[in-house]
Amino acid sequence: SQQGEEDPQALSIQEGENATMNCSYKTSINNLQWYRQNSGRGLVHLILIRSNEREKHSGRLRVTLDTSKKSSSLLITASRAADTASYFCALYNNNDMRFGAGTRLTVKP
Amino acid sequence: NAGVTQTPKFQVLKTGQSMTLQCAQDMNHEYMSWYRQDPGMGLRLIHYSVGAGITDQGEVPNGYNVSRSTTEDFPLRLLSAAPSQTSVYFCASSYGAGGEQYFGPGTRLTVT
Repeated sequence: SQQGEEDPQALSIQEGENATMNCSYKTSINNLQWYRQNSGRGLVHLILIRSNEREKHSGRLRVTLDTSKKSSSLLITASRAADTASYFCALYNNNDMRFGAGTRLTVKP
Repeated sequence: NAGVTQTPKFQVLKTGQSMTLQCAQDMNHEYMSWYRQDPGMGLRLIHYSVGAGITDQGEVPNGYNVSRSTTEDFPLRLLSAAPSQTSVYFCASSYGAGGEQYFGPGTRLTVT
């Protein structure tokens, strides 16, 4: 299966701390994307990293991709209570998009 | 722009009934897709379309039909509802396949 596997399943941190989530996969990909979902609402796109890229930044977000290890990580720096949500990696290859089960992040004020 | 809209927000069906979930986008996106999300799980791709008149199956297409007669609309039809189809359904669109996807607010469907 192309589905990504996020680790950890749940993460609880204090406001101001950094949060790191990982995504591993088994097949080749064209790109990998990270999305956020608040309380069962629609997903919101965070960042897209192509298979030939190694790192991308967007505000407080940093994403890395290691295609040799078939893994990606999402780092949220200086977390805020508003970052509390579920985070999903999505693997794209040839018109097919597969999501992982997500990491539930709780940021305590 | 309204973005991606979905109707209805909630729906309860009896086993065997059929219905259509509506999805529309006003961003002139070519790629549209339908997902289902079950409790504690990620999204699973049901069907997708790369443009008007073109549809294809995703990971879990059984029991669902789609059509794409216009760029804007991508309805999902449940042919004969089953309890296993109880889920939250999300529609999404992007400029092209593999791009940043914009999601609708979802339809929560319960089949009894």
